[in-house]
Amino acid sequence: NAGVTQTPKFRILKIGQSMTLQCAQDMNHNYMYWYRQDPGMGLKLIYYSVGAGITDKGEVPNGYNVSRSTTEDFPLRLELAAPSQTSVYFCASSYSTDLGGYTFGSGTRLTVV
Amino acid sequence: RKEVEQDPGPFNVPEGATVAFNCTYSNSASQSFFWYRQDCRKEPKLLMSVYSSGNEDGRFTAQLNRASQYISLLIRDSKLSDSATYLCVVNPPYSGAGSYQLTFGKGTKLSVIP
Repeated sequence: NAGVTQTPKFRILKIGQSMTLQCAQDMNHNYMYWYRQDPGMGLKLIYYSVGAGITDKGEVPNGYNVSRSTTEDFPLRLELAAPSQTSVYFCASSYSTDLGGYTFGSGTRLTVV
Repeated sequence: RKEVEQDPGPFNVPEGATVAFNCTYSNSASQSFFWYRQDCRKEPKLLMSVYSSGNEDGRFTAQLNRASQYISLLIRDSKLSDSATYLCVVNPPYSGAGSYQLTFGKGTKLSVIP
């Protein structure tokens, strides 16, 4: 099993550009999450999904969009990139928050210049 | 009171030392608890779950004190490889939409020095 796979690992965007961060899991987890982590800071939840076709906002959703058309995939879309979106983005999935917590992907390091 | 609070450190300890971290949480009805480890520039990884009876995994011991609403992590015989940031994580009680998510502390940084 690959676990949670994120692509790309690194990306530099110009202000105003758009991109999609990909996240895929092969563990048949219903719950998936997107976090961002700024240098020296904690994780902040952007969006999450409790199953295919269901998504909801987290703590910092502005400037982002998500979709969940399948159980496996949970892409994060950045529209009109801004320097404030420079961060490390982690995708995670879980079967249940009660049992063993989350499995994280290795992250995407995004720089907006 | 923040949902999950940790001393950010850094804790600088010599190899072989014993070090303990505490974490407090605000919601007394929280259901489950975890410690995660995050290495520099890497993703968080589950270190261990924390049970009411306490649990031990090798050099690591986790304890839960529901009455005082804190959890602890004890690391014995510290190794250089233990250097990382340790995240306290709490599963709050179900309260409708938006509940299916863990609450992460900001982490405590540990540096083990030769």
